[in-house]
Amino acid sequence: SQQGEEDPQALSIQEGENATMNCSYKTSINNLQWYRQNSGRGLVHLILIRSNEREKHSGRLRVTLDTSKKSSSLLITASRAADTASYFCATDPIYNQGGKLIFGQGTELSVKP
Amino acid sequence: DADVTQTPRNRITKTGKRIMLECSQTKGHDRMYWYRQDPGLGLRLIYYSFDVKDINKGEISDGYSVSRQAQAKFSLSLESAIPNQTALYFCATSDLVAARNEQFFGPGTRLTVL
Repeated sequence: SQQGEEDPQALSIQEGENATMNCSYKTSINNLQWYRQNSGRGLVHLILIRSNEREKHSGRLRVTLDTSKKSSSLLITASRAADTASYFCATDPIYNQGGKLIFGQGTELSVKP
Repeated sequence: DADVTQTPRNRITKTGKRIMLECSQTKGHDRMYWYRQDPGLGLRLIYYSFDVKDINKGEISDGYSVSRQAQAKFSLSLESAIPNQTALYFCATSDLVAARNEQFFGPGTRLTVL
């Protein structure tokens, strides 16, 4: 079963609003990553946060990690219509022997102009 | 040119046919992966390979086989395709040396089994 579970499954907001997506996982991790997928296309890596980090920023993206709660959130500030996509969290478990990532089911974000 | 390419991009086939999906990369990465994506199920790992002589089963390997012909090439085969293998298939790579395990994805192959 998938380790990462994302919430909400779908999110619809207006352009300019902030979008927050959450990810929960089950086992201890080396890092957690967020990916974006435009409809029917390949995933693109957005940001990685290591297990010893609590917050990370990249442009309009802000990621937090709470290892005690085994959860992460992705915040997209001042959203744009072009941010419309599916967003996936992926965990790199500590038990991982070969770089396998465990992907969540994704959050489908729709930003209306 | 794209760093990770997949061929074909779209394929329609019939039940029982043998199908091969190919992946090539120019990133020089050691690790390569095959995933399938189904609506509402996210990505599930089929097979992965750390180098040319290494093949490992993933979460859902039944009905699939792979071949790592070279560092840059990783092929996925469906020996006898069935309708529930209709899905979007992705190849991905990552760099052992970088130790971040960030994965780089190809554009995907949309496979339909009738």
